[in-house]
Amino acid sequence: SAVISQKPSRDICQRGTSLTIQCQVDSQVTMMFWYRQQPGQSLTLIATANQGSEATYESGFVIDKFPISRPNLTFSTLTVSNMSPEDSSIYLCSVDSRGFDTEAFFGQGTRLTVV
Amino acid sequence: AQKITQTQPGMFVQEKEAVTLDCTYDTSDPSYGLFWYKQPSSGEMIFLIYQGSYDQQNATEGRYSLNFQKARKSANLVISASQLGDSAMYFCAMRDLGGFQKLVFGTGTRLLVSP
Repeated sequence: SAVISQKPSRDICQRGTSLTIQCQVDSQVTMMFWYRQQPGQSLTLIATANQGSEATYESGFVIDKFPISRPNLTFSTLTVSNMSPEDSSIYLCSVDSRGFDTEAFFGQGTRLTVV
Repeated sequence: AQKITQTQPGMFVQEKEAVTLDCTYDTSDPSYGLFWYKQPSSGEMIFLIYQGSYDQQNATEGRYSLNFQKARKSANLVISASQLGDSAMYFCAMRDLGGFQKLVFGTGTRLLVSP
């Protein structure tokens, strides 16, 4: 299985500011996925990050609000920009271990509270 | 479009007993994978078990087994010999195989294991 380190684990931020979440994997992976889990809800995909290309965003999510970087095969960042209280959620990165899409592992998650 | 349905918002079980968490799915793709995750209060997503649509045998991983009934489009998770540490949210998810597709999640079932 892949070992995924996600930072920070939690943060409390002021509205109008931005937070960058990091996701580091212990092996090279093709795709990295960023999910959002709003309070009491299920997980929703924000975007898919492939190394060397622009991230692909799901309906309802835009690059200006959630810019993503994928500089290499083991690392990605998600920025939550110009935050509002509605952005308070758990953000999780996910990877497919060893290139098999029969395995999907998650980082520890970032619990974000916007005040 | 893919859809996952978990009809049990909450389940209670006594320690050492078995419990079944229901999951039904809908997809038009013949090749897909089904996943179960455990989410404790810490927020991390822990991968439990995987079942492929073409797998002939039901998947098992320790105390977890997946009751896969393809004709009924159901993929129920069975936890045997429940432990207090099993208390958590459980999510069923699916993805089409090939091309590293996103995971689509159900709404989750909260399991409470009592002494």
